Amino acid sequence: GQQVMQIPQYQHVQEGEDFTTYCNSSTTLSNIQWYKQRPGGHPVFLIQLVKSGEVKKQKRLTFQFGEAKKNSSLHITATQTTDVGTYFCAGFPMDSNYQLIWGAGTKLIIKP
Amino acid sequence: GAVVSQHPSWVICKSGTSVKIECRSLDFQATTMFWYRQFPKQSLMLMATSNEGSKATYEQGVEKDKFLINHASLTLSTLTVTSAHPEDSSFYICSAREEGGVAFFGQGTRLTVV
Repeated sequence: GQQVMQIPQYQHVQEGEDFTTYCNSSTTLSNIQWYKQRPGGHPVFLIQLVKSGEVKKQKRLTFQFGEAKKNSSLHITATQTTDVGTYFCAGFPMDSNYQLIWGAGTKLIIKP
Repeated sequence: GAVVSQHPSWVICKSGTSVKIECRSLDFQATTMFWYRQFPKQSLMLMATSNEGSKATYEQGVEKDKFLINHASLTLSTLTVTSAHPEDSSFYICSAREEGGVAFFGQGTRLTVV
């Protein structure tokens, strides 16, 4: 079936280091969304990418959507303690208006 | 990995009737469950957060009397859409989280009110 692979499952970084999570879909996506879940919280919508090759930035966060619309990445520059949480990608297959396919999430852990 | 089962996956009902959607955590105890609503090609909108054994906390603008949430056990939460109308047609999705854990999503329920 259709699935989105997200790696890595966990990433430990020192504060100030960069962080990247990658999503790869088995099917072409019409758009892809990114969510962040803080510890103890619920997934919160961050951004949606629609166009092939699209790159969007939110302060230290950079989101990319691949040319083939099958992969995406989230890169955080110079991580801060407030970045701690789990980042999920979720994509809409081309033939679906409702059914998001979720990545398993990448947990960002800041080393003390 | 953790599995959250949501049922039914789709339902069609007549205007004025009520519909119940179930969300079950299959291999973990979900101390907290979240209910979302989603419009076509849009992001999830959080409707309410429920903790096992206590009343749900609803987001601003969500009618608690219309969207009844019950979280009576650590593995089951239900969302009942009461007196459904066509404008309630949407995709409803739950997510479940064990204490201190990551939230896992159900498959979603497509509700169509005719």
